Amino acid sequence: DAGVIQSPRHEVTEMGQEVTLRCKPISGHNSLFWYRQTMMRGLELLIYFNNNVPIDDSGMPEDRFSAKMPNASFSTLKIQPSEPRDSAVYFCASSWDQGGTDTQYFGPGTRLTVL
Amino acid sequence: AQKITQTQPGMFVQEKEAVTLDCTYDTSDQSYGLFWYKQPSSGEMIFLIYQGSYDEQNATEGRYSLNFQKARKSANLVISASQLGDSAMYFCAMSRSSNDYKLSFGAGTTVTVRA
Repeated sequence: DAGVIQSPRHEVTEMGQEVTLRCKPISGHNSLFWYRQTMMRGLELLIYFNNNVPIDDSGMPEDRFSAKMPNASFSTLKIQPSEPRDSAVYFCASSWDQGGTDTQYFGPGTRLTVL
Repeated sequence: AQKITQTQPGMFVQEKEAVTLDCTYDTSDQSYGLFWYKQPSSGEMIFLIYQGSYDEQNATEGRYSLNFQKARKSANLVISASQLGDSAMYFCAMSRSSNDYKLSFGAGTTVTVRA
């Protein structure tokens, strides 16, 4: 079975440009998470969707960040405009929410570099 | 809030030997889950093993086992018969049960396996 798919794997852009990261969760999973990993802050949860609905976006850094999940098999994380401090690895993860402790499966990540 | 502590920033282990990675946690909840993830140099986050707080037996998955000591609030990962491919960063994480989706991650431990 395919795992979580993310694209692109690497993105290099210039400050001020719009960046869109994409994620396809594991088929059948109903929860989707976007994380950001940096050396300074480790892994941070940005936003959590359940059944395509954003449940918790308290981790989204600021208004420059937005995330959507138009259907159960696709999600995007957009940064507009991008800044050098946004450089990080962005992970998408998915799980099957059974109301208990659910294992989150991560995608390979997108390494974003903003120049 | 939960707190995960991994006190070993880096470890070296000889190939074919066992290694134990420490993880302690702090929570007042009775129901929670503990996870270990592996992050090789290629960057992806790989789920290794899960232990529920009410599980009476320690979890095992192939060469991975979790030494769960509830009273001491520790969930150490044991990797037996280390292989060169085990060289990676290892993260301990915890989530509460009862519909709490948030994973709290430790800072990670880097393992280097020597031939």
